[in-house]
Amino acid sequence: NAGVTQTPKFQVLKTGQSMTLQCAQDMNHNSMYWYRQDPGMGLRLIYYSASEGTTDKGEVPNGYNVSRLNKREFSLRLESAAPSQTSVYFCASRAQREGSEQFFGPGTRLTVL
Amino acid sequence: EDQVTQSPEALRLQEGESSSLNCSYTVSGLRGLFWYRQDPGKGPEFLFTLYSAGEEKEKERLKATLTKKESFLHITAPKPEDSATYLCAVQATSGTYKYIFGTGTRLKVLA
Repeated sequence: NAGVTQTPKFQVLKTGQSMTLQCAQDMNHNSMYWYRQDPGMGLRLIYYSASEGTTDKGEVPNGYNVSRLNKREFSLRLESAAPSQTSVYFCASRAQREGSEQFFGPGTRLTVL
Repeated sequence: EDQVTQSPEALRLQEGESSSLNCSYTVSGLRGLFWYRQDPGKGPEFLFTLYSAGEEKEKERLKATLTKKESFLHITAPKPEDSATYLCAVQATSGTYKYIFGTGTRLKVLA
């Protein structure tokens, strides 16, 4: 099992460019999440998907869109990148049972110039 | 408002010098408290889940404990390979799908 995979690992964008971060999990989990991690601020939730076909906003959704393509895949799109979106992005998934832990991908380090 | 606070922000230990990391939380109701380890340039790696006050979990040199207001991650006789950032997160009963993370404790163990 690969667990949670993310692509790309690194990306540099210019202000105004768009891109999609890809995430896939092979653990048959229902719930998937996108976080960003910035120094001194911890992990902040951007969007989550409780199950296939549903998505909800988290703490910091502005400037992002998501697509739950199927049970395995959950993508994060930046339509018009801004320097404030420079961060490390993590995808996570978890099983449906109450109190279950999240499993994280390796992250995408994004720099917006 | 649900909140998680970790202390200290950073900790330097000599190899073999035991210590504890703290995670204080404020939630309306606790569904679970989670500890993760994060190495530089990698994603968080799950360590423990604690569900109720008084519960304890152990793994090698790590032991996690839980009270109604805080959790401790005790590190006994640490080794340099224990150097990492340790993250604490809570899942509240009010938000079934949401997890609230602390900002972490950066641990450095010197040989």
